[in-house]
Amino acid sequence: GQQLNQSPQSMFIQEGEDVSMNCTSSSIFNTWLWYKQDPGEGPVLLIALYKAGELTSNGRLTAQFGITRKDSFLNISASIPSDVGIYFCAGLGPRNKLIFGTGTLLAVQP
Amino acid sequence: DTGVSQDPRHKITKRGQNVTFRCDPISEHNRLYWYRQTLGQGPEFLTYFQNEAQLEKSRLLSDRFSAERPKGSFSTLEIQRTEQGDSAMYLCASSLRGQGAPTDTQYFGPGTRLTVL
Repeated sequence: GQQLNQSPQSMFIQEGEDVSMNCTSSSIFNTWLWYKQDPGEGPVLLIALYKAGELTSNGRLTAQFGITRKDSFLNISASIPSDVGIYFCAGLGPRNKLIFGTGTLLAVQP
Repeated sequence: DTGVSQDPRHKITKRGQNVTFRCDPISEHNRLYWYRQTLGQGPEFLTYFQNEAQLEKSRLLSDRFSAERPKGSFSTLEIQRTEQGDSAMYLCASSLRGQGAPTDTQYFGPGTRLTVL
C-alpha cells in the first residue's frame, strides 16, 4: 500500500538534544497528523494540523503543515528518555483513510 | 474518560481457524476504522464505518475478512480460515465527524496482536 516518505529512518541522540523529522508526499493532503507508537501499543496522537502553513505546538513538540500541502515536519526540543519510540506522520487521504509514513525510530541516551 | 479499547490484546491461533476481534470506540464517536500493521511498517487502512454503515473497504480486505458495526457502537473484525500472512497488529481507531468537529482526527486503540501458527 501507499506510504509517505519519512526521514530520517532512525535517530540516536543524547538526552537534551533537539530532534527534527519530516514527511513528504507526492499527493496533497488537507490534514496532517503526527503519532508516537511504543512497542506493542497503538499509535498515540501528538499533534493534528488542519491548514497549510499552520505551525502548532504541544509542549516540547512543534509541527508544521507545509505550504504546498505535500509535507510536514515535527520538532522535539530538549529530548528526554521517555521520548523513545517510533514516530509516524499520517496524511488524511480520500475517503477518510489515513496514509502513514514509514516511521522514524528515536532512541535517546540518558 | 475512556479511549478506544480493543479485545483481546493478543491472539495466537492455528492456520485455518477463525478469529474475531472487538473494538469499542470513544463514546459518541460516529466513525470507526480498522487498520493492519505489520512489523516495521506504518498502519494500513482496511475499512471504516460511519455509524452502522460500512462506507469503504480496502483491497487488502480479502473475502476472508468481514467487519460489522451492528448498532453503530462497537465493531467486530472476523478473519476466517486464517493464514500465516494474516499475522499482524490489528488496530482500531475512532473519530467524530460532525458540525464543529475537526476533520476526522483519528484516535487509536492499543491493538490486537494476531499470531497465526
